[in-house]
Amino acid sequence: NAGVTQTPKFQVLKTGQSMTLQCAQDMNHEYMSWYRQDPGMGLRLIHYSVGAGITDQGEVPNGYNVSRSTTEDFPLRLLSAAPSQTSVYFCASSYEGQGGDGYTFGSGTRLTVV
Amino acid sequence: AQSVAQPEDQVNVAEGNPLTVKCTYSVSGNPYLFWYVQYPNRGLQFLLKYITGDNLVKGSYGFEAEFNKSQTSFHLKKPSALVSDSALYFCAVRDLGGADGLTFGKGTHLIIQP
Repeated sequence: NAGVTQTPKFQVLKTGQSMTLQCAQDMNHEYMSWYRQDPGMGLRLIHYSVGAGITDQGEVPNGYNVSRSTTEDFPLRLLSAAPSQTSVYFCASSYEGQGGDGYTFGSGTRLTVV
Repeated sequence: AQSVAQPEDQVNVAEGNPLTVKCTYSVSGNPYLFWYVQYPNRGLQFLLKYITGDNLVKGSYGFEAEFNKSQTSFHLKKPSALVSDSALYFCAVRDLGGADGLTFGKGTHLIIQP
């Protein structure tokens, strides 16, 4: 049982490049989400999904796309990277039944845009 | 909209002394409340949660938190601090009746001095 797996762990991009951050969970969780963590700002929600085929925007969605074709996977796409997207990105999943539960987080992807 | 405030950027405590990390929240309905801990270069780890029931919630590593509805607070406590408790702590809230994900505070650095 691996939990939530994020790849890659580190990435450097040039401004304007695109890339996909991968997130996979093996706990059959319905809910998955992406957060970015910046110093002094805590975690801010980018996008989330309550099940396969359903996604919605969070607090800071601009510049990012998501899709949820399977329960297990929730990739985050940067369309045209900008220095402002330099951050640590965390994927999280949770079980939504029985009133909800805490999130299980991946170990993060540290992204630098130069 | 839901929000969380952690009024202290940093809390310093001597080893063996009791510690408190403060958190206040705002939701339109009934809250789900969580505490997470983050060690350097790691993802967030779940500590404890409040859903319903007893206002005093016990969690991992000897931590506990007290839910106070009238003061809309959910302070994290531990009777005797350890140096290994030094980390970044996040409070998070979710509206029981809402469709949004967790909203996190900005985090509090806890430093335990030997």
